[in-house]
Amino acid sequence: DAGITQSPRYKITETGRQVTLMCHQTWSHSYMFWYRQDLGHGLRLIYYSAAADITDKGEVPDGYVVSRSKTENFPLTLESATRSQTSVYFCASSEPGRGGNTIYFGEGSWLTVV
Amino acid sequence: KQEVTQIPAALSVPEGENLVLNCSFTDSAIYNLQWFRQDPGKGLTSLLLIQSSQREQTSGRLNASLDKSSGRSTLYIAASQPGDSATYLCAVTGDYKLSFGAGTTVTVRA
Repeated sequence: DAGITQSPRYKITETGRQVTLMCHQTWSHSYMFWYRQDLGHGLRLIYYSAAADITDKGEVPDGYVVSRSKTENFPLTLESATRSQTSVYFCASSEPGRGGNTIYFGEGSWLTVV
Repeated sequence: KQEVTQIPAALSVPEGENLVLNCSFTDSAIYNLQWFRQDPGKGLTSLLLIQSSQREQTSGRLNASLDKSSGRSTLYIAASQPGDSATYLCAVTGDYKLSFGAGTTVTVRA
């Protein structure tokens, strides 16, 4: 039961560098999401994807890029990291169905931009 | 834009006491509502999912109610245990996207 895995779990990078956070799910869920969690803001949606090659912006997409060439992978790239992007990033997946769309989260990626 | 509020932000109770966690949302046009648990340094684990047509869901010591018309949900945890200490988040789904509350951090004292 591999579920949904994120890598790296912890990353320190410098301002201006490009960083990619990886997300892989083994359930073939249609929907995948990237959230960031910050004190005082809770979880905010960055980007989501309804299927391979279909992505859309969430609440806070600026400074981020996503792609979804395969159903199971949904990488998140920070093109030029800024200190304000220091956060915990969560990937999630779900499959709409009769039972509702319970969402499953990865363990998170802790990113520090110095 | 959907706004989700959780009150209180933190709660400390002695072991054995029942817990009542509140969640309110501004837009009643939701698909469902979910309650999650988050342990420090960990991801989120789904506890209960209530469809918009349902009034409540139960799982073991957990019971969640939903009043869509008033934009409220309540999570009840019976006979709390120290292992229930965590942050509890509610989230409402519209269009397959979740909007989260900031969470209630619960401490159960032994």
